Amino acid sequence: GAVVSQHPSRVICKSGTSVKIECRSLDFQATTMFWYRQFPKQSLMLMATSNEGSKATYEQGVEKDKFLINHASLTLSTLTVTSAHPEDSSFYICSAGVRNYGYTFGSGTRLTVV
Amino acid sequence: KQEVTQIPAALSVPEGENLVLNCSFTDSAIYNLQWFRQDPGKGLTSLLLIQSSQREQTSGRLNASLDKSSGRSTLYIAASQPGDSATYLCAVRERNTGNQFYFGTGTSLTVIP
Repeated sequence: GAVVSQHPSRVICKSGTSVKIECRSLDFQATTMFWYRQFPKQSLMLMATSNEGSKATYEQGVEKDKFLINHASLTLSTLTVTSAHPEDSSFYICSAGVRNYGYTFGSGTRLTVV
Repeated sequence: KQEVTQIPAALSVPEGENLVLNCSFTDSAIYNLQWFRQDPGKGLTSLLLIQSSQREQTSGRLNASLDKSSGRSTLYIAASQPGDSATYLCAVRERNTGNQFYFGTGTSLTVIP
């Protein structure tokens, strides 16, 4: 079956630094990747949609200059949290797949900003 | 905009009991509906996926139903076990919004041995 690898699973960083999260489709080519985040006791909320070779589409209220998304190949998308602050601490999870077909979720990244 | 609601928010049952989790959504024009399990601090495990043309799906002790016209789905868990303790998320996908998932707020299930 389709496997999506997300790395790192946990990261702690200092306030003001940047953190990069990778999402890889291991055995298929993903034309579309979604990035979600989940605050404690809340459900997953879509941050942005990433299509290979084009700019990401961000949901309302998500700062594109703060959350940089790159989808340079059909198997890799990265989310970079720039100038991280404690309020960015959250669980980030990606989903990769092909439009109108199936999507597989990564295992998530727990980001803690201290 | 699609809104997904899950009831109850939390549920605690003794081992062996059958239980039902509820999910409702506001826009019936969905592509499919999926139930996930999420353990604390972990990612999502897909349990059952129901296409918009289907009424139900079964896997082992799990049965999910879909009534698209009324915007409802249920997840039935038979003979619950302590290992079933987790948060259960319902998510719908729409064709016309880039295939994104709209998630419910989840039901936190605790099965007491």
